[in-house]
Amino acid sequence: DAGVIQSPRHEVTEMGQEVTLRCKPISGHNSLFWYRQTMMRGLELLIYFNNNVPIDDSGMPEDRFSAKMPNASFSTLKIQPSEPRDSAVYFCASSGLAGVNFYEQYFGPGTRLTVT
Amino acid sequence: GENVEQHPSTLSVQEGDSAVIKCTYSDSASNYFPWYKQELGKGPQLIIDIRSNVGEKKDQRIAVTLNKTAKHFSLHITETQPEDSAVYFCAASPRWAKLQFGAGTQVVVTP
Repeated sequence: DAGVIQSPRHEVTEMGQEVTLRCKPISGHNSLFWYRQTMMRGLELLIYFNNNVPIDDSGMPEDRFSAKMPNASFSTLKIQPSEPRDSAVYFCASSGLAGVNFYEQYFGPGTRLTVT
Repeated sequence: GENVEQHPSTLSVQEGDSAVIKCTYSDSASNYFPWYKQELGKGPQLIIDIRSNVGEKKDQRIAVTLNKTAKHFSLHITETQPEDSAVYFCAASPRWAKLQFGAGTQVVVTP
């Protein structure tokens, strides 16, 4: 079974541009998480969804960040307008249905975003 | 909220020796403690986890121990190999699904 898929793997953009990151969770998983990783702040949870519904977006840094999950197999994280301080690696993770493996989160390969 | 501290930040070991990474957490409601291994350019990979009703768990060369009273848990890697070189993260879950990560430990295994 394929793991979590993220695209693009690398994104370089200029300040002020819109950036959209994409994620396909593991088939059958019903929870999806967006994280940001930087040297200064480590791994931070931005937002997570359960059954396509946003449950906690308290980690979203600013109104410039938004996330959607229109269906069980796709999610986007959008930054508009982007700023140099948004440069980071963004990870998507998913976890399965309630039960023994409920908590186990599986990460995608990440998108390295550079804003110049 | 939950605060997870991880030590040491870097760990250098000789191949074949053991490595131990320690984490403490602050929220007594936390009941799930996973460990992730992250190699350069890749996403974190879940390697082992432990739940609050268990004191120790082993999987081949890795083991995790949990002391709920003291609010700390540790990762033990025995017979280290060069492929164990990576950054290791501990995490704690204070409530449903949400993970709070430690700052990470860079492990370097020298042949």
